[in-house]
Amino acid sequence: DTEVTQTPKHLVMGMTNKKSLKCEQHMGHRAMYWYKQKAKKPPELMFVYSYEKLSINESVPSRFSPECPNSSLLNLHLHALQPEDSALYLCASSQGAMNTEAFFGQGTRLTVV
Amino acid sequence: DAKTTQPNSMESNEEEPVHLPCNHSTISGTDYIHWYRQLPSQGPEYVIHGLTSNVNNRMASLAIAEDRKSSTLILHRATLRDAAVYYCIRQGNFNKFYFGSGTKLNVKP
Repeated sequence: DTEVTQTPKHLVMGMTNKKSLKCEQHMGHRAMYWYKQKAKKPPELMFVYSYEKLSINESVPSRFSPECPNSSLLNLHLHALQPEDSALYLCASSQGAMNTEAFFGQGTRLTVV
Repeated sequence: DAKTTQPNSMESNEEEPVHLPCNHSTISGTDYIHWYRQLPSQGPEYVIHGLTSNVNNRMASLAIAEDRKSSTLILHRATLRDAAVYYCIRQGNFNKFYFGSGTKLNVKP
């Protein structure tokens, strides 16, 4: 199984809502990532988890809160988002070593209204 | 990643080779160079990666300049299914994958 599964595929939320994005992998990977991708732009790194601990936060606003409950799961909790946060949110995983590839999910298309 | 630059778009004829360039002039000695491609409404898909030596796999070849300041992804025979946005990526410390600006490849039948 070389899949990274993200749910939901699409999400529409109001600016006062709280929602969560979920990501799951069963490849035994020890590094997991969240990326944000705006239309016609490359993905931008948000967070990196290594061995279930947050290792990198690329100065992401606190309205985005990541969580790694176990080695297979990664969540992104959303609260009080702005319309400009509308984007494709991509999850990825890798073995965690330098010389390894990352596997990406299909993403969650988020619209903030 | 502002340090990794690629042409915005390129065009190729089907069945012909394609050379996609990438400049990463400030790459550090331990950063790996990855290439991924992305189809519309999909996540990026791994193509190939390397450190210093040229690399080949079933999908493509990666040619890395001797000074490592640039690299070229080579698709030996482009097909219509190869039309995608191709990203050159710098893999730095702490498992960070930084995407370049991307090249949109159009393949003409």
